[in-house]
Amino acid sequence: GENVEQHPSTLSVQEGDSAVIKCTYSDSASNYFPWYKQELGKGPQLIIDIRSNVGEKKDQRIAVTLNKTAKHFSLHITETQPEDSAVYFCAAGYGNKLVFGAGTILRVKS
Amino acid sequence: EAGVTQFPSHSVIEKGQTVTLRCDPISGHDNLYWYRRVMGKEIKFLLHFVKESKQDESGMPNNRFLAERTGGTYSTLKVQPAELEDSGVYFCASSPSGAFFYNEQFFGPGTRLTVL
Repeated sequence: GENVEQHPSTLSVQEGDSAVIKCTYSDSASNYFPWYKQELGKGPQLIIDIRSNVGEKKDQRIAVTLNKTAKHFSLHITETQPEDSAVYFCAAGYGNKLVFGAGTILRVKS
Repeated sequence: EAGVTQFPSHSVIEKGQTVTLRCDPISGHDNLYWYRRVMGKEIKFLLHFVKESKQDESGMPNNRFLAERTGGTYSTLKVQPAELEDSGVYFCASSPSGAFFYNEQFFGPGTRLTVL
């Protein structure tokens, strides 16, 4: 079945710096790649997603890139702010099911 | 528009007891999903409803878990009898029908289950 590996498990950056989280998936049939942000005490919130027919997508300070050949996708956050501190999950989806990575704890130090 | 809601937010029970978790999806969403996150690991798929029908229950751990969605609205997930390894956070998610929106799942806040 599908397997998603996510790195790093923790990431500390200085406010204003960029943060990059990388994920690799195993099932080439996966065609949907969402990123979720989970803040303390809340459920995962969809922040950006990309489909397999697109290589890059950007929304203000966040962007996602997808390399289908390498089965690799990444989340880029620029100009990080303290409120970006949270757990970030990548996922790969085919049809109804999402397979998640283990999560990255992002800490933005002010 | 109200989001996905889950009840209770926390539940502490003893091994062997029964617990029922409830999820109310976003109004109008035909697709409802249950996921679980155990011990800080990845969020794992449990099952998927389309309206009141179970579309995929391949992630259900064993027959101690029973999910229902009567009338195609809210859903319940019952664990009976609960074991220690069932502890974790149970998330519910919903998504609308339609080919383009099918995958965009919106999550609830989760129910943290602790089995002692």
